[in-house]
Amino acid sequence: ILNVEQSPQSLHVQEGDSTNFTCSFPSSNFYALHWYRWETAKSPEALFVMTLNGDEKKKGRISATLNTKEGYSYLYIKGSQPEDSATYLCAFENNAGNMLTFGGGTRLMVKP
Amino acid sequence: GAGVSQSPSNKVTEKGKDVELRCDPISGHTALYWYRQSLGQGLEFLIYFQGNSAPDKSGLPSDRFSAERTGGSVSTLTIQRTQQEDSAVYLCASSFLNYEQYFGPGTRLTVT
Repeated sequence: ILNVEQSPQSLHVQEGDSTNFTCSFPSSNFYALHWYRWETAKSPEALFVMTLNGDEKKKGRISATLNTKEGYSYLYIKGSQPEDSATYLCAFENNAGNMLTFGGGTRLMVKP
Repeated sequence: GAGVSQSPSNKVTEKGKDVELRCDPISGHTALYWYRQSLGQGLEFLIYFQGNSAPDKSGLPSDRFSAERTGGSVSTLTIQRTQQEDSAVYLCASSFLNYEQYFGPGTRLTVT
């Protein structure tokens, strides 16, 4: 059983705050680490696919880093806005196929 | 263009009845995946199709669950003799070969 964990489980921040959360995953048989944003009643939306150790990706105010040797990825949101409120999921993809193993998600709530 | 669609969006069924969930992937996507999210749990992999064949059925929770894909396109997930623990959101995703997965809106199944 692959262990993909995310912390914290939930986070409440004020509009304008910057925030970050963590995804930890197995460091062996790594192929890719995916980040998704899942708003209530909508489909999960792909944010990043990260494959290389030391990778850093950015999309607007959201960025992510990857450390495959120690098995963690951070997602950062700069200047949170209420529309950033969602569950952020990471998913580990191993090199034996492209089944994704998801973490439990971090539920972010941004108060105006 | 059109994304992944799923039907029905909501299904309420009585314990012991059979249900069939449908997924229409993005046209041209060769791979199709089924996941589910039970209340308070992370996303759980169920089954993966490459074309019409399912090389990985490891996630199906019991022999009451089956899935098929015909014509390399539409897939149906069938749950026989539903139990209350089958209540969950069932998500379908598709991808071209082994690239990024795009998710549908999900089917919320409630077994009473």
